[in-house]
Amino acid sequence: SQQGEEDPQALSIQEGENATMNCSYKTSINNLQWYRQNSGRGLVHLILIRSNEREKHSGRLRVTLDTSKKSSSLLITASRAADTASYFCATDAVYNFNKFYFGSGTKLNVKP
Amino acid sequence: NAGVTQTPKFRVLKTGQSMTLLCAQDMNHEYMYWYRQDPGMGLRLIHYSVGEGTTAKGEVPDGYNVSRLKKQNFLLGLESAAPSQTSVYFCASSYLDSGRSTDTQYFGPGTRLTVL
Repeated sequence: SQQGEEDPQALSIQEGENATMNCSYKTSINNLQWYRQNSGRGLVHLILIRSNEREKHSGRLRVTLDTSKKSSSLLITASRAADTASYFCATDAVYNFNKFYFGSGTKLNVKP
Repeated sequence: NAGVTQTPKFRVLKTGQSMTLLCAQDMNHEYMYWYRQDPGMGLRLIHYSVGEGTTAKGEVPDGYNVSRLKKQNFLLGLESAAPSQTSVYFCASSYLDSGRSTDTQYFGPGTRLTVL
């Protein structure tokens, strides 16, 4: 399966701390995306990183991609209670860019 | 600009009943997707469409049918609902970027379906 897998499954931190979550996948990709899902809501796109990129920033988010290890990490700096959500990585596949495969997510709890 | 909308938001069916979920997008996106999300899990792709009049199977297509008669709409049908189809269903749309790679997916708010 192409499916990405996030690690850890759950993470609980204090407000102001950094949160790091990881994603591993199995086959070559064109791009990898991170999404956030607040409880009971749809997914919201956070950031996209392409296979020829190694690092990308967006506000308090930093994403890295290591294609040799088939892994990515999402760092949220100076976390806030509003960052409490589930975070998913999604990968396409070089041989079939039409499809996306989602992992089971990391549930982040930021305590005020 | 409403983005991606889904109808209905909630539905309860009895086993064997049929229903259609409607997804609409106003962003002129070529690609549309139907996913299901079960408790504690990520999204699994049911069917997708790369353009008007075309559909293709995803990871878990059994028990579902889809149609894309108009570019802005993507319908998901359950012909004979089963309890195993109890889930939250999300629709998404996307476009191809200049490099012919699928880009950001925009999601609808979801439809919570219960099959008794």
